[in-house]
Amino acid sequence: NAGVTQTPKFQVLKTGQSMTLQCAQDMNHNSMYWYRQDPGMGLRLIYYSASEGTTDKGEVPNGYNVSRLNKREFSLRLESAAPSQTSVYFCASSGTGGAVETQYFGPGTRLLVL
Amino acid sequence: AQSVTQLGSHVSVSEGALVLLRCNYSSSVPPYLFWYVQYPNQGLQLLLKYTSAATLVKGINGFEAEFKKSETSFHLTKPSAHMSDAAEYFCAVSDAGSSNTGKLIFGQGTTLQVKP
Repeated sequence: NAGVTQTPKFQVLKTGQSMTLQCAQDMNHNSMYWYRQDPGMGLRLIYYSASEGTTDKGEVPNGYNVSRLNKREFSLRLESAAPSQTSVYFCASSGTGGAVETQYFGPGTRLLVL
Repeated sequence: AQSVTQLGSHVSVSEGALVLLRCNYSSSVPPYLFWYVQYPNQGLQLLLKYTSAATLVKGINGFEAEFKKSETSFHLTKPSAHMSDAAEYFCAVSDAGSSNTGKLIFGQGTTLQVKP
């Protein structure tokens, strides 16, 4: 049982390049989330998916797109990377996505945009 | 709108001393509150959560937190710090409104340093 896995672990991009961050969970969870972590700002929600086939914007969605490929996988795409998107990205999942549910986090992807 | 404020971005204690990490929240509905810990270069893991069942919540690794509605606080404590407690700690409030999506709103985080 690997929990939540993310690839890649680290990536360097040039401004304007695109990339997709991958996330997968093996806990049969319905809800999945993408956060970004910046120093002094905690974690901020980018997008979430309450169930397979649905996605919705979080607090900071601009510059990102997501795909809930199936129940296990939730990817985050940067179409044209900007230096402001330099951050650590975390994927999380929870069982039913309710307010009292524990979210389980992946190890993160460190992204540097030059 | 819900929000969380963690007082003190950096807290330093000696090994064996009391750990107190402060968290205050703002919520228009009864809140669900969480403390997560992040060890260096790792993801977050749950320490404990308040779901209105009991105001004093016990978590893993000897941590506990008390929900105080009158003070809108949910401070995290541990009687005796260990070197292994050095990490970053996040307080979070969950979206408990009608949408019930489970979205978390995080505080800024507090880095705990434990000195030998």
